[in-house]
Amino acid sequence: QQQVKQSPQSLIVQKGGISIINCAYENTAFDYFPWYQQFPGKGPALLIAIRPDVSEKKEGRFTISFNKSAKQFSLHIMDSQPGDSATYFCAASIAGNTPLVFGKGTRLSVIA
Amino acid sequence: DAGVTQSPTHLIKTRGQQVTLRCSPKSGHDTVSWYQQALGQGPQFIFQYYEEEERQRGNFPDRFSGHQFPNYSSELNVNALLLGDSALYLCASSPGPRNNQPQHFGDGTRLSIL
Repeated sequence: QQQVKQSPQSLIVQKGGISIINCAYENTAFDYFPWYQQFPGKGPALLIAIRPDVSEKKEGRFTISFNKSAKQFSLHIMDSQPGDSATYFCAASIAGNTPLVFGKGTRLSVIA
Repeated sequence: DAGVTQSPTHLIKTRGQQVTLRCSPKSGHDTVSWYQQALGQGPQFIFQYYEEEERQRGNFPDRFSGHQFPNYSSELNVNALLLGDSALYLCASSPGPRNNQPQHFGDGTRLSIL
């Protein structure tokens, strides 16, 4: 049973465009929702995270939007750059430090 | 400030063998979690160690075992290797098992089973 569903599986965006990746979760006990960025041959690196007491969090070009009633959250990358080309994973956990449950990932390609 | 370090980087084993992977947590972190990432998939939680004890475990058979040392470093052991154990094994550390701090990942050990 997959507790976090991520879409799309892959995404191609023009340089300067907006990349949008969506995730949906099932377990209402989840209260911590991070996004990780992974480059080939590297481990996942924390990008940005949100808790359900806010509906949006922005850090630079990265924004998380959170909809608690719909049990959905999304990552928006503004002004996408070729250096953003990587695999992005959404995740969820209870109390922020218990096991992370990951989505299957989205491979983003930003083309010039 | 060194991040999470894992060794070895790559490893090739044959079916039935045993393997030990190692992890040193980020400075100041005392909790270590291990994840398995199959090709094209998201990481899956194996288990978590805190105060030298296994605190939580995911849906993995007991062929997977671990250990945490007094200096907080950790080992992952896998016995009777199967072809399906081929994956990237990731170690993540955090300061305490339940203080709402994010987990930081190492670059993993790529294990290939022939």
